[in-house]
Formats: sequence, structure tokens, C-alpha cells
Amino acid sequence: DAGVIQSPRHEVTEMGQEVTLRCKPISGHDYLFWYRQTMMRGLELLIYFNNNVPIDDSGMPEDRFSAKMPNASFSTLKIQPSEPRDSAVYFCASSMPYYGYTFGSGTRLTVV
Amino acid sequence: AQRVTQPEKLLSVFKGAPVELKCNYSYSGSPELFWYVQYSRQRLQLLLRHISRESIKGFTADLNKGETSFHLKKPFAQEEDSAMYYCALRNNQGGKLIFGQGTELSVKP
Repeated sequence: DAGVIQSPRHEVTEMGQEVTLRCKPISGHDYLFWYRQTMMRGLELLIYFNNNVPIDDSGMPEDRFSAKMPNASFSTLKIQPSEPRDSAVYFCASSMPYYGYTFGSGTRLTVV
Repeated sequence: AQRVTQPEKLLSVFKGAPVELKCNYSYSGSPELFWYVQYSRQRLQLLLRHISRESIKGFTADLNKGETSFHLKKPFAQEEDSAMYYCALRNNQGGKLIFGQGTELSVKP
């Protein structure tokens, strides 16, 4: 298994543009998580899904952020419009019950 | 409320010295505790799970329910251990992990 796959690895965009981050979880994992990592705030859980259904989106900062999981093998995190304070590394992770998470390599987002 | 506290932002030791990264948690039920490691600009990797009772890369961690702690220890630090270490708690099987703020370990030659 190739692990959790995220794309793109790096994204530089201008303020106001739409940004879409993508994640392919490990096959068979029931849970998918989106985290944001910054120096100031550490790791923040944005949203997570169980069997493609959003369970907890209380960490999503505001309406500019949205996430979808149309099927068991794909999820997106969208920011529209993007702002400089959204600059961070965004991690996707997946897991099965009773096991720890497997993280993707992350997407480093820079909004200028 | 469920919470994970890592009191040290930075821990600096010399090579060969013992290391202890502290983790305390608050949770009323039976928690699952984890340690994750993140080497420079890489993904987070699972280091230890408390239920596995294993030793990975010389690191061990014991769950102390009385003190609500899950400290990570290594008797002799190596330079390659330099990384960010995150303690995490899960409140039910498969549910979300609650992470501490992380401790940066710096091992000097």
C-alpha cells in the first residue's frame, strides 16, 4: 500500500483564489481526518469522516473552508477565498478502529 | 474535557544522556495513548501505542493512570532522535485523536 497520498505537496496561491487539497486514504480505513499545522497553534483537527460521513467539523475555522468525501478513496479540503492566515501545512490521515493514524506527507500552502 | 498537555516546548540534551518527554492527559474513561514523531518537514509517524507495550527505536512509554501520565523515555539519546514529538489521546475506538502541543527534542553532539 502506498500509504495516505496527498496532493499537491506544495501550493502557492494569491489571496482570494480558491484552493483545493486532495487526499487518498489507505484502502480499508474507515476514518479520514484533516489537520492543519502551524507554528503558533500546533496541530488542529479541522474535520473528520467515518465511512465517508462527516462526524465532527467543529474545527473548521469558518465558512471559507469546506470538506467532502464523495467515496471511500477520496477527500477534498477546499478554501474559498483563501487568505494569508490560511498558510500552513495541511495533513490528511486515515485509520481503522483500534489502530493509530497513518498520516500523509502534507500539503504546504502559502497564500500571498 | 479531554486534554493532552506537553509542558515542555523544547527539550535539549547531549548525545548519550537520558531523555524524558512529559505527557499528561485528562480524560474520565479508559484512554488510548499514542506518541507520534515528526522529523524535519516530514509526515507524522506513529512511534508508540500504550496498548502495544513495545519499544521502538529505544523509546518506551508507560501509562500511569494514577498520575494520568504517559511520559516517553529513552536511556541514551542519539542525534537522529532530534524531532518533534506529539503525545495524543483517543477517547473511543477509531475516533479522533487529541494531540498535545508537541515537544521539540534537540540532541546535541
